[in-house]
Amino acid sequence: DTGVSQNPRHKITKRGQNVTFRCDPISEHNRLYWYRQTLGQGPEFLTYFQNEAQLEKSRLLSDRFSAERPKGSFSTLEIQRTEQGDSAMYLCASRRDGGHSYEQYFGPGTRLTVT
Amino acid sequence: DAKTTQPNSMESNEEEPVHLPCNHSTISGTDYIHWYRQLPSQGPEYVIHGLTSNVNNRMASLAIAEDRKSSTLILHRATLRDAAVYYCISIAGGTSYGKLTFGQGTILTVHP
Repeated sequence: DTGVSQNPRHKITKRGQNVTFRCDPISEHNRLYWYRQTLGQGPEFLTYFQNEAQLEKSRLLSDRFSAERPKGSFSTLEIQRTEQGDSAMYLCASRRDGGHSYEQYFGPGTRLTVT
Repeated sequence: DAKTTQPNSMESNEEEPVHLPCNHSTISGTDYIHWYRQLPSQGPEYVIHGLTSNVNNRMASLAIAEDRKSSTLILHRATLRDAAVYYCISIAGGTSYGKLTFGQGTILTVHP
């Protein structure tokens, strides 16, 4: 169990540029989540994948945001035409199917700074 | 998912027990209570969960009120490494997606 990994850990970009983040979940976990966290706030749900299917998207996920999980393994989150308000920590989490526990395993996050 | 209410902050001394309260007065009978914590500069970490009965694991204990409208996370002997933001989250049972709805959480400060 190598844990959830995210790359890059930090990204600084200029307003208007596109950025892409990658998340590698724990290998046997078929459920994958993206969250966003701004300073002093708890994480906010963005989107959810079950295998390769994107089953839920938050209203926070504007048209500039897109997420994929092409083979049901790793996932990418792309932000187009970044804005300063996109500056946040982007967290990925995964969990396995079944049981009563909704225990999610979080990665270390990607901190985005838009200048 | 039921709304949860937690104190903004709490303080403790090292090696003393800590009781972190959470109110979830609108909880339904099938909602699970989960606790996560987030250490500085890290992603959240699962701590414990329960439905009706009190629960223990290697990290903590969870005491659930008989009417289920509140719960308490108990750290039996706080260490400096327990300083974190603790989140109490209610998740509707049978929810197939299991997304977590985080509130502001409780900032726990542990004094040496």
